Amino acid sequence: GAVVSQHPSWVICKSGTSVKIECRSLDFQATTMFWYRQFPKQSLMLMATSNEGSKATYEQGVEKDKFLINHASLTLSTLTVTSAHPEDSSFYICSARDGSLAANEQFFGPGTRLTVL
Amino acid sequence: KNQVEQSPQSLIILEGKNCTLQCNYTVSPFSNLRWYKQDTGRGPVSLTIMTFSENTKSNGRYTATLDADTKQSSLHITASQLSDSASYICVVSAYSGGGADGLTFGKGTHLIIQP
Repeated sequence: GAVVSQHPSWVICKSGTSVKIECRSLDFQATTMFWYRQFPKQSLMLMATSNEGSKATYEQGVEKDKFLINHASLTLSTLTVTSAHPEDSSFYICSARDGSLAANEQFFGPGTRLTVL
Repeated sequence: KNQVEQSPQSLIILEGKNCTLQCNYTVSPFSNLRWYKQDTGRGPVSLTIMTFSENTKSNGRYTATLDADTKQSSLHITASQLSDSASYICVVSAYSGGGADGLTFGKGTHLIIQP
């Protein structure tokens, strides 16, 4: 149980285009999902917290107009990188919280490797 | 400021040997501490999660310890296998403050198992 999937697993796009990444909780309902970015040999950096049916909360320094987050259902959150540039190339990881568990544990997706040319 | 420090940054050991990874934290108020394994190009996978009252927890060949007084944790890997090569991330959760349930991530220890 507690499986989180991401799609696509990798994507290469041209500078200026937009890219959408999906995050799904496959066997549980996730009222809250989180989006992280990870650069090589660095730790995960939280970008935003996404609550189902409400606006996402962004961390300081993360542009909400550039990284659009939608959490339309209890099993799906999407991250859209708008007008992507090479500096947006990174590993994007989502996690979903299973609120039914006492520890409120987060389960991570497998990540999406974004390369912007 | 909440911080999680891990050591060593990287470690190379021979297959079959044991190793211990360290995690020191200054997170308050403490809720729980988690160890994750992250394979290259993959998302983190939970190994153990410990609350304040737990001193040790095992998951197969992985054994985590927690000393809430000194704010230290360790992850011991027994009889290492090639598949243990990965980054091991210590994550500490605070009851309040910050996003992501108040999670503070360490930078990880990059472990390489050599045949």
